[in-house]
Amino acid sequence: QVQLVQSGAEVKKPGSSVKVSCKASGGTFTSFAISWVRQAPGQGLEWMGGIIPVFGTADYAQKFQGRVTISADESTSTAYMELSSLRSVDTAVYYCGAGGFWSVRDYYRYYVDVWGKGTTVTVSS
Amino acid sequence: DIQMTQSPSTLSASVGDRVTITCRASQSIGSWLAWYQQKPGKAPNLLIYKASSLETGVPSRFSGSGSGTQFTLTISSLQPDDFATYYCQQYNSPPYSFGQGTKLEIK
Repeated sequence: QVQLVQSGAEVKKPGSSVKVSCKASGGTFTSFAISWVRQAPGQGLEWMGGIIPVFGTADYAQKFQGRVTISADESTSTAYMELSSLRSVDTAVYYCGAGGFWSVRDYYRYYVDVWGKGTTVTVSS
Repeated sequence: DIQMTQSPSTLSASVGDRVTITCRASQSIGSWLAWYQQKPGKAPNLLIYKASSLETGVPSRFSGSGSGTQFTLTISSLQPDDFATYYCQQYNSPPYSFGQGTKLEIK
């Protein structure tokens, strides 16, 4: 069973960037899709985007287009989510998740069946 | 983008009750729907995928149904461990949006 280990909590200033990592073990990294989901304090789950490491292409929610970059390094079985131009409303727990994927014409379907424990990002001056 | 709407937002129930949570999609998503359970301070946990398939290790009191735009999650006999927040997520086409969540509380 794959396990996902995320990087530690971050405190950032408004306007700066944060890069969260998600290292997979116990499975074949290239057989997964990796999703990034965030949860602001007291709020629901919000899908930010995802990547299929074997193909390298990422999907993004339009809300985050231009501010988020999702990448993956197959050599270290690690996925990354970088969010720039941080503001206080970006304060949240950021989760990565892994699951299988299926080809559909010009995109891939995927959901999460294994989650990381989350990384708390606090944006404060 | 596909909008997912859950109802109710909060549900009060007792141990042993049968409860149903509804999730509606703004357009047809086939059966490409997952349900997750989340407890405070914890990551979500997958319960159901492809609308009605039970994830390995999930108790059989959980079941999912529906297709197209209307879906339900049913818990046949509530156990103390089931009081949590539940989310649906469509994965028919990106962005893979979540419902706003349903908090299941003890009556």
